[in-house]
Amino acid sequence: EVQLVESGGGLVQPGGSLRLSCVASGFTFSSYAMSWVRQAPGKGLEWVSTISGSGSSTYYADSVKGRFTISRDNSKNTLFLQMNSLTVEDTAVYYCAKDTSPGPKPEDFDFWGQGTLVTVSS
Amino acid sequence: QPVLTQSSSASASLGSSVKLTCTLSSGHSTYFIAWHQQQAGKAPRYLMRLKHSGDYNKGSGIPDRFSGSSSGADRYLTISNLQSEDEADYYCETWDRNTYVVFGGGTRLTVL
Repeated sequence: EVQLVESGGGLVQPGGSLRLSCVASGFTFSSYAMSWVRQAPGKGLEWVSTISGSGSSTYYADSVKGRFTISRDNSKNTLFLQMNSLTVEDTAVYYCAKDTSPGPKPEDFDFWGQGTLVTVSS
Repeated sequence: QPVLTQSSSASASLGSSVKLTCTLSSGHSTYFIAWHQQQAGKAPRYLMRLKHSGDYNKGSGIPDRFSGSSSGADRYLTISNLQSEDEADYYCETWDRNTYVVFGGGTRLTVL
């Protein structure tokens, strides 16, 4: 059974940083691209970033480029999202999602984690 | 870059069928899409990948009541024999080598 468990969310002040983690199980982690997708309160889904299965290729939405960094540790089946220079517009539930393909570029997401809430507020 | 257009809401009666539409923008009518379901307060759930041809591949454990079809730039999700648990937001998604991933605005389905 595929499981994705996010952690690391919380309350942070504007301009601050936060690091999200997602521990995966139930599939060969290194064989699939992984992504972060977020959902602001009461809003729709927004793709944030994708990393290829090997970790050699990364892709970002324009809204987070230069501020967020996606990475993965295939030895620990863990996906990360380092978020810097946070603004109130980054407030959202952040979901970890498994891609249907190894990458490098994102396609569709066949499994989702339960999400972790990031609140940016003073 | 592709844009996906969805109606904001839909409703249908318990036990009936409903067909939700996701429309691809001009120049992108051959794109594959995916459908995701999001029940209130829960994470999204992958329903299927839907091709321009109308062929689709469903996700793990998705009931036979869910099916997909295509016509030109329109991609459809049909839910038959509606159940109360089908009340949810439904998002379509597509991907592009330059834009990467785009989601539609979502359709909120109410089961009457």
